[in-house]
Amino acid sequence: QQPVQSPQAVILREGEDAVINCSSSKALYSVHWYRQKHGEAPVFLMILLKGGEQKGHEKISASFNEKKQQSSLYLTASQLSYSGTYFCGTEIYPALNAGGTSYGKLTFGQGTILTVHP
Amino acid sequence: EAQVTQNPRYLITVTGKKLTVTCSQNMNHEYMSWYRQDPGLGLRQIYYSMNVEVTDKGDVPEGYKVSRKEKRNFPLILESPSPNQTSLYFCASSALETNNEQFFGPGTRLTVL
Repeated sequence: QQPVQSPQAVILREGEDAVINCSSSKALYSVHWYRQKHGEAPVFLMILLKGGEQKGHEKISASFNEKKQQSSLYLTASQLSYSGTYFCGTEIYPALNAGGTSYGKLTFGQGTILTVHP
Repeated sequence: EAQVTQNPRYLITVTGKKLTVTCSQNMNHEYMSWYRQDPGLGLRQIYYSMNVEVTDKGDVPEGYKVSRKEKRNFPLILESPSPNQTSLYFCASSALETNNEQFFGPGTRLTVL
């Protein structure tokens, strides 16, 4: 089952902040975040592995609340280059995956379209 | 240069005409996946492979076949394409040692008439 991302779209002015949320109904082993520019392939941003883990990448950071099965991506002081579609991808714990190991099986959300204006 | 390549990049075909989209990676990754991307639905996994001769269904496997005879190649086969398989397809590779970080190919835009 796909994780649910919110909001579906967000429009910002340069310098403003945004938060994109990703929520799953299953216990999560990891959460990935990717950004896709129009007409291009998705590009990796970061992976969060442990409950409560936070990571940063320039002015983009993320948190992972394992208990709530949620992750949030934080974009601060947004730049024009941040525009694109953001996807979260989730891996569930192998023990809970009836098909066997979860390795290799990544389920993406429907995406959040971020538009940054000058 | 580390990369995932896909061919063809664009393909227009007719219903029922078998086709293969090739995917190759040069990073010695053990995992490879195929995704399709449709507006509003995000990326949905079609099939994935954990190593040579080991494949498993993703979330939308119906109408597709895959094979993994060599570690570097993971072709996607549509035996009898239908219009609902018109989509943008991405191949990706990843490795356990980098926590399954996906390296995507450039994409294949498929139109089935």
